[in-house]
Amino acid sequence: GAVVSQHPSRVICKSGTSVKIECRSLDFQATTMFWYRQFPKQSLMLMATSNEGSKATYEQGVEKDKFLINHASLTLSTLTVTSAHPEDSSFYICSAPEFTDTQYFGPGTRLTVL
Amino acid sequence: DQQVKQNSPSLSVQEGRISILNCDYTNSMFDYFLWYKKYPAEGPTFLISISSIKDKNEDGRFTVFLNKSAKHLSLHIVPSQPGDSAVYFCAASETSTGTASKLTFGTGTRLQVTL
Repeated sequence: GAVVSQHPSRVICKSGTSVKIECRSLDFQATTMFWYRQFPKQSLMLMATSNEGSKATYEQGVEKDKFLINHASLTLSTLTVTSAHPEDSSFYICSAPEFTDTQYFGPGTRLTVL
Repeated sequence: DQQVKQNSPSLSVQEGRISILNCDYTNSMFDYFLWYKKYPAEGPTFLISISSIKDKNEDGRFTVFLNKSAKHLSLHIVPSQPGDSAVYFCAASETSTGTASKLTFGTGTRLQVTL
């Protein structure tokens, strides 16, 4: 299947700082990528749809000014958690669809905000 | 409102036997369904999918069955192996929007395959 990478895999930061997470499609181009969040023992919740060349689309309840998304190229989307707080600690995962409707997921980023 | 439900949070199956994981959905607009396997602190790994125009899709040890009238799908793994132990998520999407479709995930079922 297609390969999606994420960086970093794990990050620990102080409250109030910003953290950037990168999502790359390694062997295909993706005009759309998706960002999910998973809290412990819960399902994956879609946060936003990242669109190359245009603004991201956010799901209800997700603050667009807190979770900044930039889809800089056909292979890269970034999620920046601004002014992070402990409640933002979670597992963040991106996905990208290849030419089918099947989405391939990155390995995830564990964010811990102290 | 949980549009995709996996009512069994956990399942234990003996090695070599069949594992059956179930999933129900409420949104009749969903027309593409996927199963993912997930280990802790890793991203989901795609297993198998099915379009609503089919009622069965098979790939090796994995078979997905879709019953549209009941809004129910199931994943069969046979024979089950210890390496299959993980959390399994079903997901659904509406492909008719014409753009890449976002997925709605179920709550997951933890499968444990015992020796």
